[in-house]
Amino acid sequence: AQKVTQAQTEISVVEKEDVTLDCVYETRDTTYYLFWYKQPPSGELVFLIRRNSFDEQNEISGRYSWNFQKSTSSFNFTITASQVVDSAVYFCALSAHSGAGSYQLTFGKGTKLSVIP
Amino acid sequence: EAQVTQNPRYLITVTGKKLTVTCSQNMNHEYMSWYRQDPGLGLRQIYYSMNVEVTDKGDVPEGYKVSRKEKRNFPLILESPSPNQTSLYFCASSWAPGVISPYNEQFFGPGTRLTVL
Repeated sequence: AQKVTQAQTEISVVEKEDVTLDCVYETRDTTYYLFWYKQPPSGELVFLIRRNSFDEQNEISGRYSWNFQKSTSSFNFTITASQVVDSAVYFCALSAHSGAGSYQLTFGKGTKLSVIP
Repeated sequence: EAQVTQNPRYLITVTGKKLTVTCSQNMNHEYMSWYRQDPGLGLRQIYYSMNVEVTDKGDVPEGYKVSRKEKRNFPLILESPSPNQTSLYFCASSWAPGVISPYNEQFFGPGTRLTVL
């Protein structure tokens, strides 16, 4: 069985602070994908990043960066110089083999980030 | 425009009255799935489909049915809805997972808010 744990249920930061959202995953599969999605108050799910299990390079995209460490089964997400528009629920997700050629996508429970002006 | 559409967006119904939520994608994706989102529980996969005529149970399939007769459509059927199925439902599609591809993130529909009285 696969599992994604986002231990932080809610985080509040003051604008311009840096914040890291944690994600720990479990899977027995050697080929898997990790994702981060953002859900703003409007409710839609916005794709942020994908990483496959063979690519441990960290990635930076503007104020966003991701740290993938297979040794600790973690895929953490950092927002630098947070802004009010970053306020949202962030989901980490894992896509891995669920048997008989099927793949299942499992989400963490999400971290609600509030950025206070 | 590449998109996943769901209908209806909002639905209030009564216990036991069969309903169908439609989902359609125009990206020729093989993989489609349904999720429900509940407070504190994140997104949980209900059913998924790797391709036409191939469907599999996700984590919370009880009380739901799906079919995949055409590649673009993946309707979610509630034969006898109950109040515990009140939730926000998302349909999603992607290219076949498990293939090393830069394009396999899930594209989500806008969501259907269902209330069962």
